[in-house]
Amino acid sequence: QQQVKQSPQSLIVQKGGISIINCAYENTAFDYFPWYQQFPGKGPALLIAIRPDVSEKKEGRFTISFNKSAKQFSLHIMDSQPGDSATYFCAAESMADRGSTLGRLYFGRGTQLTVWP
Amino acid sequence: DSGVTQTPKHLITATGQRVTLRCSPRSGDLSVYWYQQSLDQGLQFLIHYYNGEERAKGNILERFSAQQFPDLHSELNLSSLELGDSALYFCASSVYTDTQYFGPGTRLTVL
Repeated sequence: QQQVKQSPQSLIVQKGGISIINCAYENTAFDYFPWYQQFPGKGPALLIAIRPDVSEKKEGRFTISFNKSAKQFSLHIMDSQPGDSATYFCAAESMADRGSTLGRLYFGRGTQLTVWP
Repeated sequence: DSGVTQTPKHLITATGQRVTLRCSPRSGDLSVYWYQQSLDQGLQFLIHYYNGEERAKGNILERFSAQQFPDLHSELNLSSLELGDSALYFCASSVYTDTQYFGPGTRLTVL
């Protein structure tokens, strides 16, 4: 069972446009929601992360919007650039859990973003 | 560069064989995690070690095992390899259970 559901699977955006990737989760114990960016042949790199006590977090052109009641969160990439073309993964973790899932990140299936110049 | 190193970068082996993947965490990080990335399963958590002790176990097959040594490097052992074990294997590290930094991965091909 996929703990974190991510959409769309692929996304094509014109340079300068806004890229939006959505994720949903069911487990209310999740309390940490990072986004990772992965280029071909590389490992995932942390882009931005949010905790459920805030509804939005912005770092440069990247913004996470978080809706706790709907159990959804999304990544917005403003002024998308060709260099943003990569695969993006949302993830979730229960950092308060000291049991058998300690430190376990649950990843979405990924979104392949292509930004055309 | 995340500061996490993994060796080897590529590994090609045959079914039934055994391989060892190695990971060195970032300086100061006590936690090491192993993940498997495949086209059909995506990124799957395998196991988490903290300061030498196993702390969490995910979708890790019985044919797979891991350990973390006193110098904090970790090894993932894969035995009786099957074609379906072909995947990218990532190691990540963190101070405890905070931000996880991923290494460049080991691409395993089982022929």
